[in-house]
Amino acid sequence: DTAVSQTPKYLVTQMGNDKSIKCEQNLGHDTMYWYKQDSKKFLKIMFSYNNKELIINETVPNRFSPKSPDKAHLNLHINSLELGDSAVYFCASSQDIMGYTEAFFGQGTRLTVV
Amino acid sequence: GDSVTQMEGPVTLSEEAFLTINCTYTATGYPSLFWYVQYPGEGLQLLLKATKADDKGSNKGFEATYRKETTSFHLEKGSVQVSDSAVYFCALSENGEKLTFGTGTRLTIIP
Repeated sequence: DTAVSQTPKYLVTQMGNDKSIKCEQNLGHDTMYWYKQDSKKFLKIMFSYNNKELIINETVPNRFSPKSPDKAHLNLHINSLELGDSAVYFCASSQDIMGYTEAFFGQGTRLTVV
Repeated sequence: GDSVTQMEGPVTLSEEAFLTINCTYTATGYPSLFWYVQYPGEGLQLLLKATKADDKGSNKGFEATYRKETTSFHLEKGSVQVSDSAVYFCALSENGEKLTFGTGTRLTIIP
């Protein structure tokens, strides 16, 4: 059983398209996150949700919109994709905020915008 | 702002060699420090952590000591195995809400 699962694993799409990445966790955690790993391999937080409420929004363009239909899911929708959006996106979850409790990460979604 | 600098990779070692992956940090307060590991095809998972100065985190033969005076949290293992091949991420958390990661170091162990 995969604790945090993301789909798709790979996504290749053209500039200007709209795409979504889905994330589900079966750990019963209250908090979920999206991280972006850029070309220099830095992992940077984008959003965090606690019990479906937005907690962190780290200066992310409005084209990125997270949606949390329930505690177990946090999807990431991206409008009008740009070349610079190409990166690996990681979803994560933790029982409490991740600085205090162990965070569990998905395998990542490699997004390539052409 | 907070930042983490870790050893550039990739690192290639022979089995049973001694491993050190350097990690230093910049923070305004007293952060908690972590090492996460990503095995091939899997998500990141917590390897060890330390929450205050002079604490030593350890797991699976890996150790790291929180050194406030040198703002470092270097990862060490006395004898690596092929199964340790992975990408290792150093991270800190200042206020608990998020983790700030380093760039990751890819480690390959050859038999």
